[in-house]
Amino acid sequence: DTGVSQDPRHKITKRGQNVTFRCDPISEHNRLYWYRQTLGQGPEFLTYFQNEAQLEKSRLLSDRFSAERPKGSFSTLEIQRTEQGDSAMYLCASSLAGTGTYEQYFGPGTRLTVT
Amino acid sequence: AQRVTQPEKLLSVFKGAPVELKCNYSYSGSPELFWYVQYSRQRLQLLLRHISRESIKGFTADLNKGETSFHLKKPFAQEEDSAMYYCALRGNTDKLIFGTGTRLQVFP
Repeated sequence: DTGVSQDPRHKITKRGQNVTFRCDPISEHNRLYWYRQTLGQGPEFLTYFQNEAQLEKSRLLSDRFSAERPKGSFSTLEIQRTEQGDSAMYLCASSLAGTGTYEQYFGPGTRLTVT
Repeated sequence: AQRVTQPEKLLSVFKGAPVELKCNYSYSGSPELFWYVQYSRQRLQLLLRHISRESIKGFTADLNKGETSFHLKKPFAQEEDSAMYYCALRGNTDKLIFGTGTRLQVFP
C-alpha cells in the first residue's frame, strides 16, 4: 500500500458538465475526508466518512456536490453542473479512528479546471 | 467560531538563521493543533502535533493557550526546509481547519 491515491490527477471540463473523482484510502483506514483547496488558501473541509456513513458535511458542499463511500473503502466525489468557481484542487485524506493519533494522510489531489 | 490564522504568506531567511512561523487560533474548547508541510511536488504531510511534544526535523511548536498560538520554530534553517507550511486545528469533530499557509524560502 503506497498511501492514499486519487484519480484522475487532473481534470479539465466545460462549465455545466458533471465530473466524478475517486479516492482510495490506506487500506485499513476507516475514516475518509474530502477537502478543497483554492489558490492561496489552505485546504477547506468538505465532508468525511466513517466506514460508509457520512458523518459531517460542510456548508461548502452545495446541492451540486455529492460524496459516497458505498462499501466503506473507496469514495467518490461528484460535482454536477460544474461552475468556474469549482476550479480547485480536491484533496482526499484518510485516518484510522480509535488509535488516538488522529493523523490524516493526504492523497496527491485532483486538480479540476472548469472552462 | 473555529479559525486558524497564519499572518505571513511568505517568510524568507538565509541558511542557518532561526525561523518562526506564526499560527494563532480561535476555538472555545481544548483544541488539538498540528503543523502540516508540503514540499515542492509532494503531497501534504504531517510535520508535528502539539500533544506529542516532539521535535521533527529540528522543528518544535509549543501550544500557548493564553495567547492562543502554536508557532513553529527551528533554530537553524536548512535549504531543504523550503516548503509550504500549514497550521491546522482539530476541534470537536474530526475535521481539520487549516490556515492559509506560509511559504518558507531558505536561501543558501
